[in-house]
Amino acid sequence: TQLTQSPSSLSASIGDRVTITCRASQGISIYLAWYQQKPGKAPKLLIYASSTLQSGVPSRFSGSGSGTDFTLTISSLQPEDFATYYCQQLSSYPYTFGQGTKLEIK
Amino acid sequence: EVQLVESGGGLIQPGGSLRLSCAASGFTVSTNYMTWVRQAPGKGLEWVSVLYPAGNSYYTDSLKDRFTVSRDTSKNTWSLQMNSLRVEDTAVYYCARGHALTTMQYYLDYWGQGILVNVSS
Repeated sequence: TQLTQSPSSLSASIGDRVTITCRASQGISIYLAWYQQKPGKAPKLLIYASSTLQSGVPSRFSGSGSGTDFTLTISSLQPEDFATYYCQQLSSYPYTFGQGTKLEIK
Repeated sequence: EVQLVESGGGLIQPGGSLRLSCAASGFTVSTNYMTWVRQAPGKGLEWVSVLYPAGNSYYTDSLKDRFTVSRDTSKNTWSLQMNSLRVEDTAVYYCARGHALTTMQYYLDYWGQGILVNVSS
Protein backbone atom coordinates (compact mmCIF):
# COMPACT_ATOMS: atom_id res chain seq x y z
CA THR A 1 0.00 0.00 0.00
CA GLN A 2 1.47 3.35 -1.05
CA LEU A 3 1.02 6.45 1.06
CA THR A 4 1.18 9.93 -0.43
CA GLN A 5 1.57 12.88 1.89
CA SER A 6 0.81 16.46 0.94
CA PRO A 7 2.30 18.89 1.00
CA SER A 8 5.92 17.70 0.94
CA SER A 9 6.95 20.89 2.70
CA LEU A 10 5.11 23.65 4.43
CA SER A 11 6.05 27.05 5.86
CA ALA A 12 3.94 28.33 8.72
CA SER A 13 4.07 30.76 11.63
CA ILE A 14 3.73 30.29 15.36
CA GLY A 15 0.07 30.06 16.24
CA ASP A 16 -1.04 28.90 12.78
CA ARG A 17 -3.38 25.98 12.23
CA VAL A 18 -1.74 23.41 9.99
CA THR A 19 -3.16 20.35 8.23
CA ILE A 20 -1.16 17.56 6.60
CA THR A 21 -2.86 15.00 4.39
CA CYS A 22 -2.01 11.34 3.85
CA ARG A 23 -3.69 9.36 1.09
CA ALA A 24 -3.47 5.56 0.84
CA SER A 25 -3.51 3.72 -2.49
CA GLN A 26 -6.09 1.30 -1.09
CA GLY A 27 -8.41 1.25 1.89
CA ILE A 28 -6.69 0.74 5.24
CA SER A 29 -9.64 1.26 7.61
CA ILE A 30 -8.31 3.29 10.54
CA TYR A 31 -4.90 1.62 10.59
CA LEU A 32 -2.77 4.71 10.31
CA ALA A 33 -0.21 6.31 12.62
CA TRP A 34 1.54 9.68 12.60
CA TYR A 35 5.11 10.33 13.75
CA GLN A 36 7.16 13.45 14.30
CA GLN A 37 10.89 13.45 13.61
CA LYS A 38 13.41 16.15 14.44
CA PRO A 39 16.89 16.25 12.86
CA GLY A 40 19.23 13.60 14.23
CA LYS A 41 16.52 12.08 16.40
CA ALA A 42 14.34 9.01 16.30
CA PRO A 43 10.72 9.41 15.23
CA LYS A 44 8.17 10.00 17.97
CA LEU A 45 4.66 8.54 17.88
CA LEU A 46 1.93 11.18 17.91
CA ILE A 47 -1.28 9.43 16.88
CA TYR A 48 -2.34 5.85 16.18
CA ALA A 49 -5.51 4.22 14.89
CA SER A 50 -6.07 7.38 12.86
CA SER A 51 -7.26 9.57 15.72
CA THR A 52 -6.01 8.26 19.08
CA LEU A 53 -3.54 10.60 20.73
CA GLN A 54 -0.51 8.88 22.21
CA SER A 55 -0.05 9.46 25.92
CA GLY A 56 1.92 12.63 26.65
CA VAL A 57 1.34 14.22 23.24
CA PRO A 58 -0.16 17.74 23.43
CA SER A 59 -3.84 18.05 22.60
CA ARG A 60 -3.12 20.58 19.84
CA PHE A 61 -2.33 17.52 17.70
CA SER A 62 -5.29 15.65 16.25
CA GLY A 63 -5.90 13.08 13.54
CA SER A 64 -8.86 11.97 11.51
CA GLY A 65 -9.87 9.85 8.56
CA SER A 66 -10.60 6.31 7.50
CA GLY A 67 -10.33 4.26 4.35
CA THR A 68 -7.94 6.13 2.09
CA ASP A 69 -7.88 9.74 3.30
CA PHE A 70 -6.36 10.93 6.55
CA THR A 71 -5.32 14.22 8.10
CA LEU A 72 -3.02 15.39 10.87
CA THR A 73 -3.91 18.81 12.28
CA ILE A 74 -1.90 21.02 14.60
CA SER A 75 -4.31 23.57 15.98
CA SER A 76 -1.83 26.22 17.06
CA LEU A 77 1.80 25.79 16.04
CA GLN A 78 4.42 25.99 18.76
CA PRO A 79 8.17 26.45 18.23
CA GLU A 80 8.86 22.82 19.11
CA ASP A 81 6.49 21.58 16.37
CA PHE A 82 8.81 22.44 13.50
CA ALA A 83 9.91 19.02 12.32
CA THR A 84 9.19 16.40 9.68
CA TYR A 85 5.95 14.42 9.94
CA TYR A 86 5.37 10.91 8.60
CA CYS A 87 2.24 8.81 8.27
CA GLN A 88 2.48 5.01 8.37
CA GLN A 89 -0.11 2.46 7.39
CA LEU A 90 -0.57 -0.49 9.76
CA SER A 91 -2.98 -2.47 7.62
CA SER A 92 -0.78 -4.83 5.60
CA TYR A 93 2.88 -5.66 5.11
CA PRO A 94 5.11 -3.93 4.42
CA TYR A 95 4.01 -1.23 6.87
CA THR A 96 4.86 1.62 4.52
CA PHE A 97 5.50 5.23 5.46
CA GLY A 98 4.57 8.34 3.59
CA GLN A 99 7.42 10.34 2.10
CA GLY A 100 7.26 12.93 4.87
CA THR A 101 6.15 16.55 5.27
CA LYS A 102 8.75 19.04 6.42
CA LEU A 103 7.23 21.82 8.49
CA GLU A 104 9.34 24.96 8.57
CA ILE A 105 9.12 28.33 10.21
CA LYS A 106 7.87 31.14 7.97
CA GLU B 1 11.03 3.04 31.94
CA VAL B 2 11.12 1.60 28.41
CA GLN B 3 14.47 1.92 26.65
CA LEU B 4 15.88 0.53 23.43
CA VAL B 5 19.58 0.64 22.59
CA GLU B 6 21.00 -0.47 19.24
CA SER B 7 24.51 -1.80 18.73
CA GLY B 8 26.60 -3.42 16.02
CA GLY B 9 26.62 -0.78 13.31
CA GLY B 10 29.60 0.66 11.50
CA LEU B 11 31.49 0.65 8.23
CA ILE B 12 31.27 -2.49 6.13
CA GLN B 13 32.37 -3.30 2.59
CA PRO B 14 29.83 -4.23 -0.08
CA GLY B 15 29.05 -7.93 0.06
CA GLY B 16 29.82 -8.13 3.77
CA SER B 17 27.62 -9.08 6.71
CA LEU B 18 26.66 -7.23 9.84
CA ARG B 19 24.51 -8.06 12.84
CA LEU B 20 22.60 -5.32 14.61
CA SER B 21 21.25 -5.88 18.09
CA CYS B 22 18.67 -4.05 20.12
CA ALA B 23 18.73 -4.30 23.89
CA ALA B 24 15.42 -3.67 25.56
CA SER B 25 14.66 -2.65 29.13
CA GLY B 26 11.41 -1.93 30.86
CA PHE B 27 9.46 -4.61 28.94
CA THR B 28 9.83 -8.13 27.56
CA VAL B 29 10.70 -8.48 23.86
CA SER B 30 9.01 -11.87 23.55
CA THR B 31 5.57 -10.33 24.18
CA ASN B 32 5.82 -7.45 21.72
CA TYR B 33 6.16 -6.84 17.98
CA MET B 34 9.84 -6.01 17.58
CA THR B 35 10.50 -3.96 14.48
CA TRP B 36 13.38 -2.53 12.48
CA VAL B 37 13.00 0.67 10.47
CA ARG B 38 15.76 2.32 8.45
CA GLN B 39 16.42 5.75 7.05
CA ALA B 40 18.92 6.40 4.29
CA PRO B 41 20.83 9.70 4.56
CA GLY B 42 18.50 12.60 3.82
CA LYS B 43 15.61 10.25 2.98
CA GLY B 44 12.38 9.07 4.55
CA LEU B 45 11.58 6.13 6.78
CA GLU B 46 11.49 2.56 5.46
CA TRP B 47 9.93 -0.31 7.38
CA VAL B 48 12.32 -3.31 7.31
CA SER B 49 11.01 -6.21 9.39
CA VAL B 50 9.00 -7.39 12.38
CA LEU B 51 9.28 -10.32 14.76
CA TYR B 52 6.00 -11.38 16.31
CA PRO B 53 5.57 -12.68 19.87
CA ALA B 54 4.69 -16.07 18.38
CA GLY B 55 8.04 -16.10 16.55
CA ASN B 56 6.88 -15.49 12.99
CA SER B 57 8.54 -12.70 11.05
CA TYR B 58 7.85 -10.47 8.08
CA TYR B 59 10.18 -8.45 5.87
CA THR B 60 9.94 -5.85 3.19
CA ASP B 61 10.05 -7.80 -0.09
CA SER B 62 13.35 -6.40 -1.37
CA LEU B 63 15.22 -7.46 1.78
CA LYS B 64 13.76 -10.81 2.79
CA ASP B 65 16.41 -12.90 1.05
CA ARG B 66 19.28 -11.09 2.78
CA PHE B 67 17.98 -9.98 6.20
CA THR B 68 16.91 -12.19 9.12
CA VAL B 69 15.52 -11.28 12.52
CA SER B 70 15.86 -13.27 15.72
CA ARG B 71 15.60 -12.76 19.45
CA ASP B 72 17.37 -13.85 22.60
CA THR B 73 14.84 -13.98 25.41
CA SER B 74 17.51 -14.65 28.03
CA LYS B 75 19.14 -11.29 27.22
CA ASN B 76 15.91 -9.50 26.27
CA THR B 77 17.39 -8.52 22.92
CA TRP B 78 16.56 -8.99 19.29
CA SER B 79 18.81 -8.83 16.26
CA LEU B 80 18.89 -8.12 12.55
CA GLN B 81 21.34 -10.22 10.57
CA MET B 82 22.20 -8.45 7.33
CA ASN B 83 24.03 -10.37 4.59
CA SER B 84 25.28 -9.47 1.13
CA LEU B 85 25.17 -5.81 2.04
CA ARG B 86 24.89 -3.24 -0.72
CA VAL B 87 25.75 0.44 -0.91
CA GLU B 88 22.03 1.18 -0.95
CA ASP B 89 21.66 -0.46 2.49
CA THR B 90 23.54 2.49 3.97
CA ALA B 91 21.18 4.02 6.52
CA VAL B 92 20.46 4.72 10.14
CA TYR B 93 18.71 1.63 11.49
CA TYR B 94 16.17 2.05 14.28
CA CYS B 95 14.74 -0.67 16.46
CA ALA B 96 11.26 0.01 17.71
CA ARG B 97 8.67 -1.66 19.88
CA GLY B 98 5.34 -2.48 18.31
CA HIS B 99 2.33 -2.12 20.57
CA ALA B 100 -0.60 -4.29 19.50
CA LEU B 101 -3.78 -2.76 18.15
CA THR B 102 -5.12 -6.12 17.02
CA THR B 103 -3.49 -9.53 16.58
CA MET B 104 -1.97 -8.32 13.30
CA GLN B 105 -1.80 -4.54 13.58
CA TYR B 106 0.56 -2.61 15.82
CA TYR B 107 2.01 0.86 16.11
CA LEU B 108 5.57 1.86 17.05
CA ASP B 109 5.47 3.48 20.47
CA TYR B 110 9.12 3.35 21.54
CA TRP B 111 12.20 3.76 19.37
CA GLY B 112 15.92 3.37 19.87
CA GLN B 113 18.26 6.23 19.09
CA GLY B 114 19.34 4.67 15.81
CA ILE B 115 22.64 3.27 14.60
CA LEU B 116 24.46 3.99 11.36
CA VAL B 117 25.33 1.24 8.91
CA ASN B 118 27.68 2.54 6.22
CA VAL B 119 28.25 0.19 3.30
CA SER B 120 31.20 1.48 1.35
CA SER B 121 34.43 0.30 -0.23
